[in-house]
Amino acid sequence: GAVVSQHPSRVICKSGTSVKIECRSLDFQATTMFWYRQFPKQSLMLMATSNEGSKATYEQGVEKDKFLINHASLTLSTLTVTSAHPEDSSFYICSALSGRGYNEQFFGPGTRLTVL
Amino acid sequence: KQEVTQIPAALSVPEGENLVLNCSFTDSAIYNLQWFRQDPGKGLTSLLLIQSSQREQTSGRLNASLDKSSGRSTLYIAASQPGDSATYLCAVSGENFVFGPGTRLSVLP
Repeated sequence: GAVVSQHPSRVICKSGTSVKIECRSLDFQATTMFWYRQFPKQSLMLMATSNEGSKATYEQGVEKDKFLINHASLTLSTLTVTSAHPEDSSFYICSALSGRGYNEQFFGPGTRLTVL
Repeated sequence: KQEVTQIPAALSVPEGENLVLNCSFTDSAIYNLQWFRQDPGKGLTSLLLIQSSQREQTSGRLNASLDKSSGRSTLYIAASQPGDSATYLCAVSGENFVFGPGTRLSVLP
């Protein structure tokens, strides 16, 4: 099956710094990738839809200037949390649409961000 | 290593039927279990979240149950409608976040 990787798997940073998370589709091209986050004891929620070569579409309540998404190639999307604060500490997961068959979605293993 | 399975892989029912989707997981050490809906080409929509201490959650025509000891969850959809047609995924959150493969539901008018 298709594989999606995320890097890093865990990151701890100081408040005010920026953190970049990479999402790669390893054996297929993905024109569309999604970014999700899950706060402790809460649901995994869609943050944004990332389309290769165009601007990301953000869900209501997600600050696009704080969560910068770049989908520069068909196999890579990046999420940069700018000026991170402790309330940004969360579990971030990406997924990629395969574009095959029923447009199956494949998920990365996730990145746990802790902002001190 | 946590493994999540879903049965059936696909389901086609006439409008109005009540139906049950099943989710099984191998490691009962979970924080919570979630059910999602995926429409073609779209991101996941969260439907229900059940914490590990809970037995069930309800939202409208949806009811999800959790039996952590047996590693099972069910999603019950009452009075199904064509608009319910989508892929339904369950996911468990523990040491890792693991998705099931999904059940593709078609509700025929």
